[in-house]
Amino acid sequence: DAKTTQPTSMDCAEGRAANLPCNHSTISGNEYVYWYRQIHSQGPQYIIHGLKNNETNEMASLIITEDRKSSTLILPHATLRDTAVYYCIVRPRGTGTASKLTFGTGTRLQVTL
Amino acid sequence: DGGITQSPKYLFRKEGQNVTLSCEQNLNHDAMYWYRQDPGQGLRLIYYSQIVNDFQKGDIAEGYSVSREKKESFPLTVTSAQKNPTAFYLCASRAGLDTQYFGPGTRLTVL
Repeated sequence: DAKTTQPTSMDCAEGRAANLPCNHSTISGNEYVYWYRQIHSQGPQYIIHGLKNNETNEMASLIITEDRKSSTLILPHATLRDTAVYYCIVRPRGTGTASKLTFGTGTRLQVTL
Repeated sequence: DGGITQSPKYLFRKEGQNVTLSCEQNLNHDAMYWYRQDPGQGLRLIYYSQIVNDFQKGDIAEGYSVSREKKESFPLTVTSAQKNPTAFYLCASRAGLDTQYFGPGTRLTVL
C-alpha cells in the first residue's frame, strides 16, 4: 500500500469547515483513497473513498488533486461529535490480504466551541 | 438494525486461559476480518475470512484461532499461546470489493 502522511493534530471551531489533508505521493493507478475516523474507544467508522474524481456524501467531501498525490477530507460544518482521529488510507480494491486496512497514526481533530 | 456486533465490550482474562470474542453481522457480507489495536497504534490484521468455512492468517495470527461456520459469525479465540493479548480487538466485514465496516470492539485485559 502507498504510504500516507497526515498532520498529527488539528483544531477546528464548531460550525466551521474542517479540512484534513493527506499526502500520498507514491499512490499507484489502481489505488483508492479511503477515509475512516475513530472516536475514542470505538470501532473505526467509514467516511468516504474515491479514485480520482471528487466525491461527496452525507458525511463529508473528498477532494483529490489531479495528479492524485494528495487529497483533502472536508467536513463542511464540524460539530463536537466530529472530534476523533481521522485516517487516510490508500489501497487497491480487492480481496484477500490486499483488502486489509493499514491504519497509520492519523490526524487527531479537536472541534472546539 | 443492520450492523456488526461484538461481545463482550470488556473482557478480563487470567494468564493461561483461552477466551473467545464474538463477532456477528447481519449485513449479508461474505468477508470478515479481525484486527488488533494497541494504544496509540494502528490496526494489525489477525485473521480474515472471505467465505464460509474458509479463513486465512493475517500478519499476526500466532496465538489466535478463528472459525467461520456461518456467514453471520466469525468468533476469535485468544489462546494461552498469545504472549501479549491485552489490546482492543476489532471485527469488520466487507461489502463487495470495497468498504469495510467495523464493530464497536472488545477490550481484552489480561490480569
